[in-house]
Amino acid sequence: SQQGEEDPQALSIQEGENATMNCSYKTSINNLQWYRQNSGRGLVHLILIRSNEREKHSGRLRVTLDTSKKSSSLLITASRAADTASYFCATAPSGQGGSEKLVFGKGTKLTVNP
Amino acid sequence: DADVTQTPRNRITKTGKRIMLECSQTKGHDRMYWYRQDPGLGLRLIYYSFDVKDINKGEISDGYSVSRQAQAKFSLSLESAIPNQTALYFCATGQGARETQYFGPGTRLLVL
Repeated sequence: SQQGEEDPQALSIQEGENATMNCSYKTSINNLQWYRQNSGRGLVHLILIRSNEREKHSGRLRVTLDTSKKSSSLLITASRAADTASYFCATAPSGQGGSEKLVFGKGTKLTVNP
Repeated sequence: DADVTQTPRNRITKTGKRIMLECSQTKGHDRMYWYRQDPGLGLRLIYYSFDVKDINKGEISDGYSVSRQAQAKFSLSLESAIPNQTALYFCATGQGARETQYFGPGTRLLVL
């Protein structure tokens, strides 16, 4: 079953606006990662936030993690048409021993209109 | 050159045929993974390998098999393809436990 669930499923904004995507998960985690996928292509890692971190930045990306609410958000500031893609959260559940598997959500499809 | 490559990039086959999808990596990672992606379902793990002698089933391994020929190569086989195996297949590598994964460009498979 899916661990992470992104919200919304789809988001359409104008260039220059900020985009916020959310991810909720069910079990305790070691870390949470965000990936981007351009249409039909492989996923590209964006950022990893560990369970003891609350916020992380990378360029125009800001990720927050609230382990008490089992949720994370990805903020893309000053969006560009090139940010149009699907965004996935992936959780690394803790306490699984040697399985070390990432569990991916179903993604948020972001469209940035010029 | 790409760090994770997949061949073929597109494949059309018929029900009952055996096919192999190949993955090679130059990142030197021990961990390799095979996922399939279906519209609206996200990525699901088929098989994963932590080294040449270690192969593990993922959540949807039925109908698939894998071979880890070398640290750099991990192939996925469909012994007898069926239409519901039509999907986008991704290979990925990883350096450490629960760390970042690096994805190949994907293989689009259509089973008629």
